[in-house]
Amino acid sequence: DGGITQSPKYLFRKEGQNVTLSCEQNLNHDAMYWYRQDPGQGLRLIYYSQIVNDFQKGDIAEGYSVSREKKESFPLTVTSAQKNPTAFYLCASYGGLNDGYTFGSGTRLTVV
Amino acid sequence: AQSVTQLDSQVPVFEEAPVELRCNYSSSVSVYLFWYVQYPNQGLQLLLKYLSGSTLVKGINGFEAEFNKSQTSFHLRKPSVHISDTAEYFCAVSDRRSNFGNEKLTFGTGTRLTIIP
Repeated sequence: DGGITQSPKYLFRKEGQNVTLSCEQNLNHDAMYWYRQDPGQGLRLIYYSQIVNDFQKGDIAEGYSVSREKKESFPLTVTSAQKNPTAFYLCASYGGLNDGYTFGSGTRLTVV
Repeated sequence: AQSVTQLDSQVPVFEEAPVELRCNYSSSVSVYLFWYVQYPNQGLQLLLKYLSGSTLVKGINGFEAEFNKSQTSFHLRKPSVHISDTAEYFCAVSDRRSNFGNEKLTFGTGTRLTIIP
């Protein structure tokens, strides 16, 4: 079955550490996105990529980095510069108007 | 740029009663409109979308929404809710222009629907 796989489902980070969240899709979609979800704030766009080897900052990119070396993969690194990283992170891909958007099941990151 | 307003952060409804979740948007260009549902600790699932054509859109699980251009609204309705409808619901818009890079979604802050037995 085609879809998006995010891993791990739960992640704990010590303050000052960088962590990388994985996002893999087998839908052959060109565009991929990372959103951050906080209670009462909805989903906010961190980074997006329309094509391999290209990506753009979203609304809250500070403290995050991404890469897009393969069409299937769009990993997100939460760096130590992100002051409040505890949140639920969702990855999505877009396959045009017919396919629409597909979301992964999310990674919950907690700073301990 | 677009923005989406979901005025009701929480909506409690008795089982088998009707429900309406409100969504208003603001945009300087034409938009596509979406409603998503999220169950706890899961991703988002598409309920329905408005791309063009009839302003009344029917989705999964008995939900429907009506696009009102003059009021810039896209309210979600269900005539009779079930316990299994307890979830968070998000309204979203995307730019209707076909230019590369305009497909990203802008979300509202969500409405938590709680069904009371």
